[in-house]
Amino acid sequence: QVQLQESGPGLVKPSETLSLTCTVSGYSISSGYYWGWIRQPPGKGLEWIGSIYHSGSTYYNPSLKSRVTISVDTSKNQFSLKLSSVTAADTAVYYCARGWELAGWFDYWGQGTLVTVSS
Amino acid sequence: QSVLTQPPSVSGAPGQRVTISCTGSSSNIGAGYDVHWYQQLPGTAPKLLIYGNSNRPSGVPDRFSGSKSGTSASLAISGLQAEDEADYYCQSYDSSLVYVFGTGTKVTVL
Repeated sequence: QVQLQESGPGLVKPSETLSLTCTVSGYSISSGYYWGWIRQPPGKGLEWIGSIYHSGSTYYNPSLKSRVTISVDTSKNQFSLKLSSVTAADTAVYYCARGWELAGWFDYWGQGTLVTVSS
Repeated sequence: QSVLTQPPSVSGAPGQRVTISCTGSSSNIGAGYDVHWYQQLPGTAPKLLIYGNSNRPSGVPDRFSGSKSGTSASLAISGLQAEDEADYYCQSYDSSLVYVFGTGTKVTVL
């Protein structure tokens, strides 16, 4: 059974960089699929942040592209998100998920982690 | 940044059939990209409900069905049950190279 688990600080100061890691179990990232980050502000809808292919190719939401970096560490079976220059608007539950194909669906999701941006 | 429009809420009595619409545009659903649906129970992560417009993953009851036509898609829940009370989101892809989600619909079982 494929499982994903997000980890990282739950509180980040404004203007700093948000860093999260997603650890995958039950499937080897290097074997394929796209691996993505999606966020959900409290009480609001879902927003795709970006995805990375197992080979390292990255795809970012244009609205966040200047601040986002997604990377993969196949040796640890993890992929990571960095979001720079955060503001209160970046406060959200951040999910990692497996993408079946580019432009496709997300079939496995992590439980999500709440990141609050506040001084 | 949702570009797919859903009704904020729908409701129905147990056993009834409800439908949720998802309206896009010529740059996403109308461009031929597939629509997928997720169920989000309170306090939990979204769960894939329908993929490729009308396909159910293993374990999803056949009470849930999806369809797509033109620039819109629909999710139908027949034989509504109390456990179906949740938020539902549609998702597609846009020609601007962005995965797009719907605004979300809260289903209430009366």
